Amino acid sequence: DVKVTQSSRYLVKRTGEKVFLECVQDMDHENMFWYRQDPGLGLRLIYFSYDVKMKEKGDIPEGYSVSREKKERFSLILESASTNQTSMYLCASSLWGQGAAMGNTGELFFGEGSRLTVL
Amino acid sequence: AQSVTQPDIHITVSEGASLELRCNYSYGATPYLFWYVQSPGQGLQLLLKYFSGDTLVQGIKGFEAEFKRSQSSFNLRKPSVHWSDAAEYFCAVSSGNTGKLIFGQGTTLQVKP
Repeated sequence: DVKVTQSSRYLVKRTGEKVFLECVQDMDHENMFWYRQDPGLGLRLIYFSYDVKMKEKGDIPEGYSVSREKKERFSLILESASTNQTSMYLCASSLWGQGAAMGNTGELFFGEGSRLTVL
Repeated sequence: AQSVTQPDIHITVSEGASLELRCNYSYGATPYLFWYVQSPGQGLQLLLKYFSGDTLVQGIKGFEAEFKRSQSSFNLRKPSVHWSDAAEYFCAVSSGNTGKLIFGQGTTLQVKP
């Protein structure tokens, strides 16, 4: 089974602190994603990555950055945390590129989430 | 732009009753569609997916969904709900060949004894 592991389930930080959220997947997936989940808003994509050292902005990248130095690891960084970044953060990975004809339909595999509170 | 709408934010059903959760999408080409479930404090688990072929898709835990292109819908159904089905349900559409999924706002299901 695919396993996506997020290092911290719960974090409490203060405004202005630098925050690192770590995510590791064990299935050699090329794609990795960071979503933010807020009540009534569903999941919104922050950043994603197709390969090592590659990143693309999602729908809400402001205030965030990412790092992918190794294929299995994708980190989300809050350079200076603010109270409006209090949220649940979900990491996901997927195998993509070949399309449905190759039996790959883009299913995302999710970690259990990191709930961040910024005071 | 692609989008997903789940019209019902919160639904309450009695245990043993049937369930239908609505999902409407906006997408130009043939979509890849997904339903995920999230139990409290957990990540998202895939219930089922549609990408081609039979428009009635069977998933895990007794769920099914029907793709209706004419209505741009992908509604999730279950004939008899169990108390353990109480959770949040998300519909999603794949954004072309990028691998990104666009999610709806989610529907919270409450099950009455």
